Amino acid sequence: DSGVTQTPKHLITATGQRVTLRCSPRSGDLSVYWYQQSLDQGLQFLIQYYNGEERAKGNILERFSAQQFPDLHSELNLSSLELGDSALYFCASSPAGGLYNEQFFGPGTRLTVL
Amino acid sequence: GEDVEQSLFLSVREGDSSVINCTYTDSSSTYLYWYKQEPGAGLQLLTYIFSNMDMKQDQRLTVLLNKKDKHLSLRIADTQTGDSAIYFCAECVNRDDKIIFGKGTRLHILP
Repeated sequence: DSGVTQTPKHLITATGQRVTLRCSPRSGDLSVYWYQQSLDQGLQFLIQYYNGEERAKGNILERFSAQQFPDLHSELNLSSLELGDSALYFCASSPAGGLYNEQFFGPGTRLTVL
Repeated sequence: GEDVEQSLFLSVREGDSSVINCTYTDSSSTYLYWYKQEPGAGLQLLTYIFSNMDMKQDQRLTVLLNKKDKHLSLRIADTQTGDSAIYFCAECVNRDDKIIFGKGTRLHILP
């Protein structure tokens, strides 16, 4: 158990819909990262937040957005869902100024878009 | 640009050594990592190496770094069935603290 929690574990929805994935980082970790894992694209970095502010952006679509709240939990919002958005979405956290920047991964949310 | 490449599959007999290879492109990378993903689970850091090191050994794991060729390898000695997983190579791009992952190598253990 990494200490990072993600809800829900599974999500099934229809095309065109909007969903919110939630992540609670490890106690004391200030950075939160979101990744998308699919069979064809592998593990893609989406976005990073650090203490409430956006820190780095990866291959995140405009239909997707994220935020990190004052209590440091984070939400990833996916809208106008398409079949191709079906994937495993991971959240990871890391401590501020970590020596080697290890990321601790949550168990993931499996999104299925029908 | 930033890219990490690794082969997608590797099959090894139980008891043999497994060698998983990776190449990366960003010469400013500070840390390079190997993460392991077991079925149905998130990624877990296995080991890491700082970019000024050539080799790191940790029990059955040996990491070799060739900075000139931007090549990283992970050797697992005496491979066991519990080593069956997907192994991700990753680099930390220091200028923006981003970690770039490869697509993962699925290690399959033959009896």
